[in-house]
Amino acid sequence: DADVTQTPRNRITKTGKRIMLECSQTKGHDRMYWYRQDPGLGLRLIYYSFDVKDINKGEISDGYSVSRQAQAKFSLSLESAIPNQTALYFCATSDSPTYEQYFGPGTRLTVT
Amino acid sequence: GDSVTQMEGPVTLSEEAFLTINCTYTATGYPSLFWYVQYPGEGLQLLLKATKADDKGSNKGFEATYRKETTSFHLEKGSVQVSDSAVYFCALSIQGAQKLVFGQGTRLTINP
Repeated sequence: DADVTQTPRNRITKTGKRIMLECSQTKGHDRMYWYRQDPGLGLRLIYYSFDVKDINKGEISDGYSVSRQAQAKFSLSLESAIPNQTALYFCATSDSPTYEQYFGPGTRLTVT
Repeated sequence: GDSVTQMEGPVTLSEEAFLTINCTYTATGYPSLFWYVQYPGEGLQLLLKATKADDKGSNKGFEATYRKETTSFHLEKGSVQVSDSAVYFCALSIQGAQKLVFGQGTRLTINP
């Protein structure tokens, strides 16, 4: 089984709809991250969390919110989706501030 | 701020060719440096890393040396294979900053 899972893998939604992307991990890591990937822009950090009570904004948090329901679960919400939020979204975990992060398979989100 | 710049792609090579993907960085502290690889339809995987100047990271025939004097971490492989076709990301992490900064990615295609 995969260590970091994301659901759904693909989602098409309409402008103005609320949508939640979910991430679960079995690695036992405290740190979890949400990234957005757009062509030619690399990965940009949306939110990150170092434990259940700690949530931090990344470089592009506007229009997004997160919830850390447990050590193993970190959800990303788009309260009112807009077309320029069409992207590939990745969840990642880490057990260290300076070393590698472990990525989920991604969720491809299309907002029409 | 901290940033990573990679050579623009796409890069197309023939099998068994020599590969170099350039990566330079700007950082205020002493970063750890990483190369991640993203195969089609998958999340990012750590390919190699280096945590201090002059360290060489290596994995699967790929190598990169942490060059503080030129602020570079170029990825090299002596003989590429079709299975190396992927998107490659250079990234840095500053100790205490708790997060990664990614380059924009370089798409590599290897033709048989």
